[in-house]
Amino acid sequence: GAGVSQSPSNKVTEKGKDVELRCDPISGHTALYWYRQSLGQGLEFLIYFQGNSAPDKSGLPSDRFSAERTGGSVSTLTIQRTQQEDSAVYLCASSLGSGSSEQFFGPGTRLTVL
Amino acid sequence: LAKTTQPISMDSYEGQEVNITCSHNNIATNDYITWYQQFPSQGPRFIIQGYKTKVTNEVASLFIPADRKSSTLSLPRVSLSDTAVYYCLVGGVYAGNNRKLIWGLGTSLAVNP
Repeated sequence: GAGVSQSPSNKVTEKGKDVELRCDPISGHTALYWYRQSLGQGLEFLIYFQGNSAPDKSGLPSDRFSAERTGGSVSTLTIQRTQQEDSAVYLCASSLGSGSSEQFFGPGTRLTVL
Repeated sequence: LAKTTQPISMDSYEGQEVNITCSHNNIATNDYITWYQQFPSQGPRFIIQGYKTKVTNEVASLFIPADRKSSTLSLPRVSLSDTAVYYCLVGGVYAGNNRKLIWGLGTSLAVNP
């Protein structure tokens, strides 16, 4: 079956512009995560959705970052007024449930802010 | 603050066994330990998960001592294709949408011919 997909694969934008990154999780997976990975660095947790519960936004670095998940499936991560330090690979993952469930990652979106 | 520490890099040769150790001194009772593998330009991929003692699957073993303050990922007879970054993850998500996910910074494993 299909894995987690993300679009676009690459995004180049100018400082100050808004960007939207999309994640399509594996069908039936109730949990969805967004991470950020800077070059040569580990994973930085951003936000977590689980079913219909309120999302855990504790990892969002500033109020310029927001995310939503419509219908318990597709998720969009929005970055407003992008800054050069936002340049990174943004990874989405989904899992069957909460707890310690295995996370299935998408290929990521490489964001470059000029 | 909970922390997960692992070596930055390791070198090995084809056919050798590789052991990567992760320290997680503040692990909580309900936390699991999970290891992921990441190749360049790809998302991480699940390798193995455990809670205590030893877990083995078709690609790796995971050794967890009784105090659970560390864990060791063991890759038997590595090949060139095992060259990747390996991440240790401690935690999980619990009731009430309470999330705890402590990722290590990754160990870059280079397997040489």
